[in-house]
Amino acid sequence: DTGVSQDPRHKITKRGQNVTFRCDPISEHNRLYWYRQTLGQGPEFLTYFQNEAQLEKSRLLSDRFSAERPKGSFSTLEIQRTEQGDSAMYLCASSLGVRNREQFFGPGTRLTVL
Amino acid sequence: AQRVTQPEKLLSVFKGAPVELKCNYSYSGSPELFWYVQYSRQRLQLLLRHISRESIKGFTADLNKGETSFHLKKPFAQEEDSAMYYCALPSDDKIIFGKGTRLHILP
Repeated sequence: DTGVSQDPRHKITKRGQNVTFRCDPISEHNRLYWYRQTLGQGPEFLTYFQNEAQLEKSRLLSDRFSAERPKGSFSTLEIQRTEQGDSAMYLCASSLGVRNREQFFGPGTRLTVL
Repeated sequence: AQRVTQPEKLLSVFKGAPVELKCNYSYSGSPELFWYVQYSRQRLQLLLRHISRESIKGFTADLNKGETSFHLKKPFAQEEDSAMYYCALPSDDKIIFGKGTRLHILP
């Protein structure tokens, strides 16, 4: 296990198209998080899962965004009808749970919306 | 509101000089604080957490509840310390990050 992985690493799309990103967490981690990072900012929380249950969504997550973790393992983040403002680095992280708050981050998917 | 403030976007320090990266937080209750680091072309990783009171790569950070600060310090900077540093506040089930400080070590 080499840590959290994300695919693709880069995505360029045209405005209005749909995109989907995948995250594979560290295998024994039951919590999975999505963050977004724009230029000059730190990562901002979007949503998280405990096993397959999505437990919290940020107000940053508009109706065009949807995330799933169907079997409690990998997760997908879909953005529908992309807008130029969606251009950002999308980070995935995983953790063992509440008692150990350290989150392990993936390399990120850089999205550019033209 | 829970918040993390890193006042410096960029900090340039000569090799061998002391380093202090500033972090202030706003949190109701007893906070737990982290410093994350991102080296060039690498992923974000945890550098240290206040609860463990350890020194990692020569860095230390002390939680000062009176000043609501968690500044990161190193007595003698090394070139390999050049990176992006984020102060972070676990809150409920997520982490609130500061905007980050880029540390540039001058030769």
